[in-house]
Amino acid sequence: ILNVEQSPQSLHVQEGDSTNFTCSFPSSNFYALHWYRWETAKSPEALFVMTLNGDEKKKGRISATLNTKEGYSYLYIKGSQPEDSATYLCALPNQAGTALIFGKGTTLSVSS
Amino acid sequence: DTAVSQTPKYLVTQMGNDKSIKCEQNLGHDTMYWYKQDSKKFLKIMFSYNNKELIINETVPNRFSPKSPDKAHLNLHINSLELGDSAVYFCASSHGNSGGVVDTQYFGPGTRLTVL
Repeated sequence: ILNVEQSPQSLHVQEGDSTNFTCSFPSSNFYALHWYRWETAKSPEALFVMTLNGDEKKKGRISATLNTKEGYSYLYIKGSQPEDSATYLCALPNQAGTALIFGKGTTLSVSS
Repeated sequence: DTAVSQTPKYLVTQMGNDKSIKCEQNLGHDTMYWYKQDSKKFLKIMFSYNNKELIINETVPNRFSPKSPDKAHLNLHINSLELGDSAVYFCASSHGNSGGVVDTQYFGPGTRLTVL
């Protein structure tokens, strides 16, 4: 069973702080890594899909990097805002490539 | 227009009852999924359907059965509901499998099921 680990489990920062968290996964048989943003009482929304070692993606103040050889991805948020408060999920395809296996997420809380 | 919709949003029922949750997507996607969010907010895949064919069925009790009348719908039927079935259930859809890379999934708003 694919093991997708995310750390830290939760994080509290002040408005304006920059922050980052980690997704770790087995480096063998890598196909793709997904990042989703999940606000309370809403449904998960896709941020990035990353496939190549060294990939770097950016969306506004949020960016992500990928290292498939060592099996990790970082998600960075620059200048955190209260509206960034959410759970950030990392997911990888299962062995058959037919569904996503999600990590338990990192819950970010940003205080103003 | 809502891309992935689920009904009902809330469902409260007695133990032992049979209930259904409906899911519809208007994105023209080939694959639909059902996820269960457990008490620790962990999303776990239950089923996926591709062109009306069940692709995966994780370790889910056979009291749960997905039904797909057409490509745009994947309904979840649950028989003999138990207390432990209480959870939030999310439907999702995607274009499907592309060379082993799972395409971006679009989630519905979730259905909160409470079994009393």
